[in-house]
Parts: sequence; structure tokens; C-alpha cells
Amino acid sequence: LAKTTQPISMDSYEGQEVNITCSHNNIATNDYITWYQQFPSQGPRFIIQGYKTKVTNEVASLFIPADRKSSTLSLPRVSLSDTAVYYCLVGTDTGRRALTFGSGTRLQVQP
Amino acid sequence: GAGVSQSPSNKVTEKGKDVELRCDPISGHTALYWYRQSLGQGLEFLIYFQGNSAPDKSGLPSDRFSAERTGGSVSTLTIQRTQQEDSAVYLCASSRGPNLDEQFFGPGTRLTVL
Repeated sequence: LAKTTQPISMDSYEGQEVNITCSHNNIATNDYITWYQQFPSQGPRFIIQGYKTKVTNEVASLFIPADRKSSTLSLPRVSLSDTAVYYCLVGTDTGRRALTFGSGTRLQVQP
Repeated sequence: GAGVSQSPSNKVTEKGKDVELRCDPISGHTALYWYRQSLGQGLEFLIYFQGNSAPDKSGLPSDRFSAERTGGSVSTLTIQRTQQEDSAVYLCASSRGPNLDEQFFGPGTRLTVL
């Protein structure tokens, strides 16, 4: 399974764009990149998933360079409610092994 | 529709006792996951059921931990001879298909071992 590395924590202010980068140097050809968000006292929830280039939805954008050894979750104009832990997962839907969440990046948004 | 439910929401037990935690996944979801999360920590994968395949038990921390999934639906996580280090929130998730499909999480069971 591809190992992922994320910053432990990040700070931002309301209205700013936040970019969280995840390194996954040994990503496999069939692996996808998935991001989850977890608020305090809740289970994680799915944000976005991609394979290459750029994916955008109503919540975030995901940028994946051509070599796919890293990915960047971009949150536009964050608010206080975006304070959460963000997890990067890498894996494929074949095989029996589950994806693993790791420690995530704790984002603190200040007023 | 109904989401993933877990019971009990809180469980306090004494060291050495056995506990059972229950998870009701979303109807029709073939994949079910158990995780645990200690205070301020990330999610620790425990076990993964996918359809009729043999479960991925690679995350179970010791032989005191076991899980079953009956009829491809409800799952029970059993912890025997509980220890204080077992205290954590135990989260269950289900997804329509394997791995890449969005996982929907339950509210968790907070286990406290005295």
C-alpha cells in the first residue's frame, strides 16, 4: 500500500485559500487519491477523489501533477467551520486490503 | 435514508471484562469497516469486510479483538479481557462497494475501560 505523508497541522485565517499537500512517492498505477474531512466528535466524511490532473466539486479542488507522487487539496476562502482534520488516502479498489487513514492534517482557521 | 448506526453510544467497563460493539451499515452496502480513534489521534484501521470475501483483519491489534459480519449486514466487534489502552472511540463505516467508494461513518461508540 502506498504510504502518505501530510503536514501535522496548518493555520489559516477566514477568507484565505488553503492548500494541503500529501506526498505519496510510491503510488501505484491503479491507485486513486481520496481526501476525507473530520470534525471534532464526528466520523470522517468524503470530500473529493481523483486519479490525475484536476478535480473540482462544490467543496474543494484536488490537484494531481503528472508524476502523481503528490496531491494538493485546495479549499477556497475557508471559514471557521472548515476547522477540521483532513486525511489523504491512496489506494485501489482491487485486492482485499483496506485504505488507511493515517494521522491527517489538523487545519485551524482563525477569525 | 438511514445512515450507519452504532450501539451503544457509550460503554464503560471494567478491566478484564468482555465488550461487544454493534454496527448497522447502510442497507445494500457491501463493504464495512471498523476503526478506532484515541483522543487527538488519527484513525486506526481494525478490520474490513467486503461482500463474501475473507475479511482483511490486518489491523486487529491483538487476538483479544475479533469481528463478525452476519448475513452481509450487521457487524459486531468483540473485545475480550479489555485493557485500559483499549479505551477509544470505535467507528464503523460502510460503503456501496470496495475501498474507493465513499465511506459513510457512524457516530461511534466511546469505550472507557476503568
